[in-house]
Amino acid sequence: SAVISQKPSRDICQRGTSLTIQCQVDSQVTMMFWYRQQPGQSLTLIATANQGSEATYESGFVIDKFPISRPNLTFSTLTVSNMSPEDSSIYLCSVFRAGTEAFFGQGTRLTVV
Amino acid sequence: AQRVTQPEKLLSVFKGAPVELKCNYSYSGSPELFWYVQYSRQRLQLLLRHISRESIKGFTADLNKGETSFHLKKPFAQEEDSAMYYCALRSNDYKLSFGAGTTVTVRA
Repeated sequence: SAVISQKPSRDICQRGTSLTIQCQVDSQVTMMFWYRQQPGQSLTLIATANQGSEATYESGFVIDKFPISRPNLTFSTLTVSNMSPEDSSIYLCSVFRAGTEAFFGQGTRLTVV
Repeated sequence: AQRVTQPEKLLSVFKGAPVELKCNYSYSGSPELFWYVQYSRQRLQLLLRHISRESIKGFTADLNKGETSFHLKKPFAQEEDSAMYYCALRSNDYKLSFGAGTTVTVRA
């Protein structure tokens, strides 16, 4: 298994500001992903965090709005930039190690006011 | 493009009754399918994967490629089964696509 620590667990932010969410894994993993879960909705993949290179974004998500870093095989950050109330969601980090299933962090509940 | 459909948003059953959560998928390749569960105030966790063909907490799920389905079943629901259930498909690049989720409530 993989133990994932995601910080912060929740935050309330002013519109126009940015929030950086951290995801730390207790051991090296092959893949790291960031998902968004809007209120009453399912999980939607934002991007794949690539170690040492730019993240790969899904349709509808762009780097300027959701910059992602992954400096090594156990850590990644997702920034939600220039926030608006529509960004209020739960953001989840997910990791995958070859031969196992995907593991999820506990999520960051973001409220933009 | 891959797609996962869970037609039931809410499912309410009595304790001891059978429960079935429906999941249909579309995917051009060879799918890898999962059921994830989220109990109240807990993180999302794996319940079942189709390749293991095992029963977890009394739940089973069979992949039917002809009907492109992966329905989750349990013959006798328990109160602790009350949770949110997500069907998910993993593509060759390891990305997961989730269904909309089904909230299961088991009543005493």
